[in-house]
Amino acid sequence: GAVVSQHPSRVICKSGTSVKIECRSLDFQATTMFWYRQFPKKSLMLMATSNEGSKATYEQGVEKDKFLINHASLTLSTLTVTSAHPEDSSFYICSATIRGDGFEELFFGSGTQLSVL
Amino acid sequence: QKEVEQNSGPLSVPEGAIASLNCTYSDRGSQSFFWYRQYSGKSPELIMSIYSNGDKEDGRFTAQLNKASQYVSLLIRDSQPSDSATYLCAVTVYGNKLVFGAGTILRVKS
Repeated sequence: GAVVSQHPSRVICKSGTSVKIECRSLDFQATTMFWYRQFPKKSLMLMATSNEGSKATYEQGVEKDKFLINHASLTLSTLTVTSAHPEDSSFYICSATIRGDGFEELFFGSGTQLSVL
Repeated sequence: QKEVEQNSGPLSVPEGAIASLNCTYSDRGSQSFFWYRQYSGKSPELIMSIYSNGDKEDGRFTAQLNKASQYVSLLIRDSQPSDSATYLCAVTVYGNKLVFGAGTILRVKS
């Protein structure tokens, strides 16, 4: 079953509105979650690393004031796209890592398709 | 140089054949390597992970890692039409960050 839950799966909004996307880890605590963006026929690009109880770490070129990340608990991270514009239309995916002795696996949420009109 | 490189394809193979997907990476310090399958409009799903040189088999899938050559591959035996998807190679770089290749489109023809 899914270990990372992401909601909503699809959002259509008007230009200028803000959109919040939630990412929850199920049955495990995630001190770190990751947010990716994927444009059509392109690979996943890491936007930021969400750290529980502290500020997110943004990748170069990602506007922290536009993509607000809050990791208020060990099971929930949110990404808010503020004042969305058509160029923000993309597939946003969150993920969390489970680590054990000698292994680590990155599990993805189901993704959110954002369409800004 | 891109951190993780893959041939974009499409790679077309007949049903029942072996599909071979390749990936090279630039960070010699990388320790963890993954293959994900992604269907159109869906999130990636983990197919294989590999951490040491050599082969790792899981059902019809075999991952091969050669750290000296900075090369990782995925073999799919007895390819099925349902295997048609984009396959993403992902590598941890700088100790923790996971970087994805652009993906290889695989088409299995029945």
